Amino acid sequence: SAVISQKPSRDICQRGTSLTIQCQVDSQVTMMFWYRQQPGQSLTLIATANQGSEATYESGFVIDKFPISRPNLTFSTLTVSNMSPEDSSIYLCSVEGGATDTQYFGPGTRLTVL
Amino acid sequence: KQEVTQIPAALSVPEGENLVLNCSFTDSAIYNLQWFRQDPGKGLTSLLLIQSSQREQTSGRLNASLDKSSGRSTLYIAASQPGDSATYLCAVSNSGGSNYKLTFGKGTLLTVNP
Repeated sequence: SAVISQKPSRDICQRGTSLTIQCQVDSQVTMMFWYRQQPGQSLTLIATANQGSEATYESGFVIDKFPISRPNLTFSTLTVSNMSPEDSSIYLCSVEGGATDTQYFGPGTRLTVL
Repeated sequence: KQEVTQIPAALSVPEGENLVLNCSFTDSAIYNLQWFRQDPGKGLTSLLLIQSSQREQTSGRLNASLDKSSGRSTLYIAASQPGDSATYLCAVSNSGGSNYKLTFGKGTLLTVNP
């Protein structure tokens, strides 16, 4: 299993600003994933982050809006840039649990943009 | 494009009742399917993972079945308890390895009344 922590747990931000969300895992993992859960919607994958390479973004998500860093095998950050109220969501970090393919999730960051 | 649907969207039952949550997916060529539980402020917890070659998995009072050919999965909860109250999410992956990513349904909000 993997234990994942995220910071901040929640934030309220002003339109046009940026927020960086941190994700820390208690073990080394190859792949880390960032998801968004908009109110009343399912989780949507934003990007996959592998250490030592550029993140791979899903359709509808771009690096300029959601830059990701992956400096080592236990840590990643997601930045939500130039925020608008439509970015108000829960952002979740997750990792794959090795051979079992079980996915482990962090507690999420609840973002509100005014 | 894979789409995942969960029915019902919400369910309220008295304590002790057995219940079934449904999940359907449009592309039957899945790699695996997972059921998660989401509690407010606590992220997602993996409940059961079914590989594409399996028909069911059991953990305690939970039993998940998979019928790939019909694109359906069910999560059976026996003798429900108030602590089972949460949102239950179904997610499928169509590929493993470096292409692994999950497509989620919107979830079923379960309330178990004492």
